[in-house]
Amino acid sequence: GAVVSQHPSWVICKSGTSVKIECRSLDFQATTMFWYRQFPKQSLMLMATSNEGSKATYEQGVEKDKFLINHASLTLSTLTVTSAHPEDSSFYICSALDALYEQYFGPGTRLTVT
Amino acid sequence: QQQVKQSPQSLIVQKGGISIINCAYENTAFDYFPWYQQFPGKGPALLIAIRPDVSEKKEGRFTISFNKSAKQFSLHIMDSQPGDSATYFCAASEETSGSRLTFGEGTQLTVNP
Repeated sequence: GAVVSQHPSWVICKSGTSVKIECRSLDFQATTMFWYRQFPKQSLMLMATSNEGSKATYEQGVEKDKFLINHASLTLSTLTVTSAHPEDSSFYICSALDALYEQYFGPGTRLTVT
Repeated sequence: QQQVKQSPQSLIVQKGGISIINCAYENTAFDYFPWYQQFPGKGPALLIAIRPDVSEKKEGRFTISFNKSAKQFSLHIMDSQPGDSATYFCAASEETSGSRLTFGEGTQLTVNP
């Protein structure tokens, strides 16, 4: 199957700082990528849809100024958590849509804000 | 309308047994139904997926059964192994709406040796 990578796999930052998470499709091009958030023992919550070359589409309740998404190429999307606070601590997972409309997920990034 | 209901919440089976997880949906426009396996601290991995033009799809020990009229689909894991112990998520999406996945709540599967 297709491979999606994320970097970093975990990050600890101080409250008020910004953190950037990268999502790459390694062996296929992805016009569309998605960003999810997952709390312990819960399902995945879609945050936004990222389309190459255009603005991201955010789900209701997700602050677009806080979670900045950039999809600069067909293999890279980034999520920047701005002015992070402890309540932003979570597991962030990206996914990429292949040409057959199948969605492949990255390994996730554990963010801890202290 | 957009929800996908998954059951059971947790499941314990013996090694060699059959694990069955069920999902139900409301949105008749859904046209893609994948199952994902997730281990703790990892991202979900695509296991198997089905589209509504077939009623069953089998890949190795994993089988999806799909009932379009009942708006239900299920995952069967044959000869369950301890290594299958993980959380399983069903999902559904509509290709014409950008393929945004709607996930079920997840099933914690434990396979005892």
